[in-house]
Amino acid sequence: AQKITQTQPGMFVQEKEAVTLDCTYDTSDQSYGLFWYKQPSSGEMIFLIYQGSYDEQNATEGRYSLNFQKARKSANLVISASQLGDSAMYFCAMREGLKGAQKLVFGQGTRLTINP
Amino acid sequence: NAGVMQNPRHLVRRRGQEARLRCSPMKGHSHVYWYRQLPEEGLKFMVYLQKENIIDESGMPKERFSAEFPKEGPSILRIQQVVRGDSAAYFCASSPPGGAGNQPQHFGDGTRLSIL
Repeated sequence: AQKITQTQPGMFVQEKEAVTLDCTYDTSDQSYGLFWYKQPSSGEMIFLIYQGSYDEQNATEGRYSLNFQKARKSANLVISASQLGDSAMYFCAMREGLKGAQKLVFGQGTRLTINP
Repeated sequence: NAGVMQNPRHLVRRRGQEARLRCSPMKGHSHVYWYRQLPEEGLKFMVYLQKENIIDESGMPKERFSAEFPKEGPSILRIQQVVRGDSAAYFCASSPPGGAGNQPQHFGDGTRLSIL
């Protein structure tokens, strides 16, 4: 069975610093996709970044990058130059298979607080 | 708004009543997923539907919960005879047909269900 582990319940970071949010996963499938979502206090789920299991390059989207270490089964999210608006819950999720229509399995989340 | 639309945003029911949650997917999307989020937890998959078909209901409780996605109209998640433990945020997500693996699921803003 798929499993996602986020070991940091909460993190506190100074504004403008970089922050790494940890995510490890467990799957027996060779083909899978990894996603990060942001959930601000208003409650909506915002897609941030995607990494496929066969992607050789680490994904990047603006200030977000994904540090993908396949052998260690980790997919950490790196946020560069953090901003106050980055304060939110962050969820790592996995989808087995590479087709689009598959359910997501989510981790417990990390609450990130950016201090001014 | 071309995004996933969920209504109502907040729903209050008394124990024993029925709750109906609605979800209209993004334009062009024919795959709908329902997830449940308990306070301070990650999202848990409930059911995956395509038009007029339930594809995967492995996360649905065996009793009181049902879901449909008719040919016309929104997807409906129905909870009969609600109990206090049904209090949660219910999220709907959608994805396009035949989507590539890197297509994220797009989420609605969720319905916060409170049981008195």
